[in-house]
Amino acid sequence: KAGVTQTPRYLIKTRGQQVTLSCSPISGHRSVSWYQQTPGQGLQFLFEYFSETQRNKGNFPGRFSGRQFSNSRSEMNVSTLELGDSALYLCASSMGLAGGSDTQYFGPGTRLTVL
Amino acid sequence: GQSLEQPSEVTAVEGAIVQINCTYQTSGFYGLSWYQQHDGGAPTFLSYNALDGLEETGRFSSFLSRSDSYGYLLLQELQMKDSASYFCAVNTDKLIFGTGTRLQVFP
Repeated sequence: KAGVTQTPRYLIKTRGQQVTLSCSPISGHRSVSWYQQTPGQGLQFLFEYFSETQRNKGNFPGRFSGRQFSNSRSEMNVSTLELGDSALYLCASSMGLAGGSDTQYFGPGTRLTVL
Repeated sequence: GQSLEQPSEVTAVEGAIVQINCTYQTSGFYGLSWYQQHDGGAPTFLSYNALDGLEETGRFSSFLSRSDSYGYLLLQELQMKDSASYFCAVNTDKLIFGTGTRLQVFP
């Protein structure tokens, strides 16, 4: 079974631009979660989508948004990029079982650099 | 708020045993997970404790004590390839990750 894939793997943008990242979950997984990883803040939860609906949200500004398609693929968008948005953005997929005991499988991440 | 603390770095030699601790200040979670992340790689799932006690998976074991707000990951028969960062995470309606521990294994 293919793992979680993310595109692009690397991205360089300038301040003020917007960016869209894509994530394809493991086949059969209905939940996709997004995380931001930085040296200073570690791994932080952005949001989770399940069956095309945002089910959970972390403490990030509204510039960070996402969506999920009927095939469970997900995109996240960051508008008006700031230097501090430079990070590794990871998506993780899981079956989406209720109760939070799902094992999450991570993709390789998208390395975003904002200049 | 919810926070999980880990030692920032641990070093050991090949063949040794190392324990990575995770202390947390949180409540109402389903379990404690452990993830490994090599430099430039994705976090990969290692172990999950839903209940107090020890879970063993090959060379890796994980322990949880809810009464002590404490857990640990035990790595035995260390190999060079075990050099990586290790994260504990509490499973709520999302994963809340610890600060991460960088393990360096020396020959």
